[in-house]
Amino acid sequence: AQSVTQLDSHVSVSEGTPVLLRCNYSSSYSPSLFWYVQHPNKGLQLLLKYTSAATLVKGINGFEAEFKKSETSFHLTKPSAHMSDAAEYFCVVSVSGTYKYIFGTGTRLKVLA
Amino acid sequence: DAGVIQSPRHEVTEMGQEVTLRCKPISGHNSLFWYRQTMMRGLELLIYFNNNVPIDDSGMPEDRFSAKMPNASFSTLKIQPSEPRDSAVYFCASSPQGNQPQHFGDGTRLSIL
Repeated sequence: AQSVTQLDSHVSVSEGTPVLLRCNYSSSYSPSLFWYVQHPNKGLQLLLKYTSAATLVKGINGFEAEFKKSETSFHLTKPSAHMSDAAEYFCVVSVSGTYKYIFGTGTRLKVLA
Repeated sequence: DAGVIQSPRHEVTEMGQEVTLRCKPISGHNSLFWYRQTMMRGLELLIYFNNNVPIDDSGMPEDRFSAKMPNASFSTLKIQPSEPRDSAVYFCASSPQGNQPQHFGDGTRLSIL
């Protein structure tokens, strides 16, 4: 069975410093993994997706994630945080590559001026 | 490009009233999803349509909830009668195919008094 665990419910960083949001997954198959961002009163926006083509995935707004099979991890990073990055971030695994998403519990990112 | 459009954005109504939420998916997408988001339970899939046909409604809470997709550009989620525990944010999402990344609308924030 697939599952996804976001290791931090809250992360605070200073503007201009690196961001690391951690996600571990469990999957019997080669997983499809996604990161979504949700700004207040908005829907979820796709940041990036992993579908086995390349282990380092680049997304929008300077975010990237690295798929590490040996560690069953798919951590999200950004070299320099911006105030506009403050939001909730969801790691998602697709069940056996189907329509069914399993959502992590979310990580709320706070960016300090 | 227009994204997924949901209406209304906010709905406040009294217990026992009928509530209808509306969704216009992205043109050309053949898969449509309704989700509910609450603090306690996170994001839950209510129902999945493919080519206007309900494929998976196992997440619909009970008979008070119903969803329709009369054509490729419109879907409704109806609650009748509504109860305070139905208060949540309801999201509609669409994707080109069921196993491709989902694009979310900005949601309807529903409050049942």
